[in-house]
Amino acid sequence: GAGVSQSPSNKVTEKGKDVELRCDPISGHTALYWYRQSLGQGLEFLIYFQGNSAPDKSGLPSDRFSAERTGGSVSTLTIQRTQQEDSAVYLCASSSQGYNEQFFGPGTRLTVL
Amino acid sequence: GNSVTQMEGPVTLSEEAFLTINCTYTATGYPSLFWYVQYPGEGLQLLLKATKADDKGSNKGFEATYRKETTSFHLEKGSVQVSDSAVYFCALNSPQGAQKLVFGQGTRLTINP
Repeated sequence: GAGVSQSPSNKVTEKGKDVELRCDPISGHTALYWYRQSLGQGLEFLIYFQGNSAPDKSGLPSDRFSAERTGGSVSTLTIQRTQQEDSAVYLCASSSQGYNEQFFGPGTRLTVL
Repeated sequence: GNSVTQMEGPVTLSEEAFLTINCTYTATGYPSLFWYVQYPGEGLQLLLKATKADDKGSNKGFEATYRKETTSFHLEKGSVQVSDSAVYFCALNSPQGAQKLVFGQGTRLTINP
């Protein structure tokens, strides 16, 4: 079956603009994660959704970052008023339950000029 | 909090050499341990995992043993190939809460023919 998909694959934006990144998890997977991969910080957890439970937002670096998951499937990560330090690859992963293997998407490379 | 420390790269070896990439962790409770691999131009893939002490994870000739006494999960392969060139990430997740992955900083491996 289809894996985790993310769009766009690349996004270039100007400082101060808002961006939306999309993740389509594997069908039937109840858990969805966002991570960020950057040169300075490595791979960092951002946010976690599990079913209908309240999301774990403990990894979001600032209140400019938010995410939602509609209908228990597709998720959107929104970054408001982007800064140059937001430049990174944003990775989405899903799993059938929180304790199982996480399957990663190809990522969205965000460049803030 | 939970953390993972892995051998810094880059690591360059000749084909058929023996590989070890060191990984140690700090965690509360009994985490699961993982090695993920990122081949050039591709997304993160699970290479192997171990869920309890003394478990050995193995895949594609790679092995790692969960050592609780030394809090380690070193990755080994007896004879590397050019196709093993990639970035390798050690990671853990906690059995409590979100099961989010905590990653090491990654080790870039290059195998020369």
